[in-house]
Amino acid sequence: AQSVAQPEDQVNVAEGNPLTVKCTYSVSGNPYLFWYVQYPNRGLQFLLKYITGDNLVKGSYGFEAEFNKSQTSFHLKKPSALVSDSALYFCAAPSGSARQLTFGSGTQLTVLP
Amino acid sequence: NAGVMQNPRHLVRRRGQEARLRCSPMKGHSHVYWYRQLPEEGLKFMVYLQKENIIDESGMPKERFSAEFPKEGPSILRIQQVVRGDSAAYFCASSDGGRTEAFFGQGTRLTVV
Repeated sequence: AQSVAQPEDQVNVAEGNPLTVKCTYSVSGNPYLFWYVQYPNRGLQFLLKYITGDNLVKGSYGFEAEFNKSQTSFHLKKPSALVSDSALYFCAAPSGSARQLTFGSGTQLTVLP
Repeated sequence: NAGVMQNPRHLVRRRGQEARLRCSPMKGHSHVYWYRQLPEEGLKFMVYLQKENIIDESGMPKERFSAEFPKEGPSILRIQQVVRGDSAAYFCASSDGGRTEAFFGQGTRLTVV
């Protein structure tokens, strides 16, 4: 079984600054990890995934995530934040026999102009 | 290639009525997942279906909720005798069943008045 946790409900960052949205995981076996973003009144959009291979995963809209096995983390990062990045971000991992996604509680990212 | 289509986008029902939510998966996808997002909360898994089969319904409330994915047509999430606490956003996701990411629809926002 896999589970994920997002320790921060809210992250604020100034436009142009680097951003990090944190996620930690608890897994048995090889972890599969995902990041999704949700804009207001919209569905979830896939950003990136880690299945195996390079620890640094590059995704959509300039986002990347670093898989760190020793720290059991999969933090989402972007070198330079945009106001349009303001949204709700979810870390997720498949679990259960159906491999349904288990989501973290979400982190509201606000990029200040 | 159309994405996951959900309709209606918004649904208002009076207490005691029935709500029917529809989801058409992406072309080529035969795996459908339903999730519920309560206000200010993350997404919670409800049910996983393949064509004509319910594979995992461990997240479904025991009463009033049912789901189907017929051989022809969309997947349906049905809520009988709705109550105010059913007000939420209901998201459908589809996948090809492999280790690829799931794609989400834009959700149906159910309001029970």
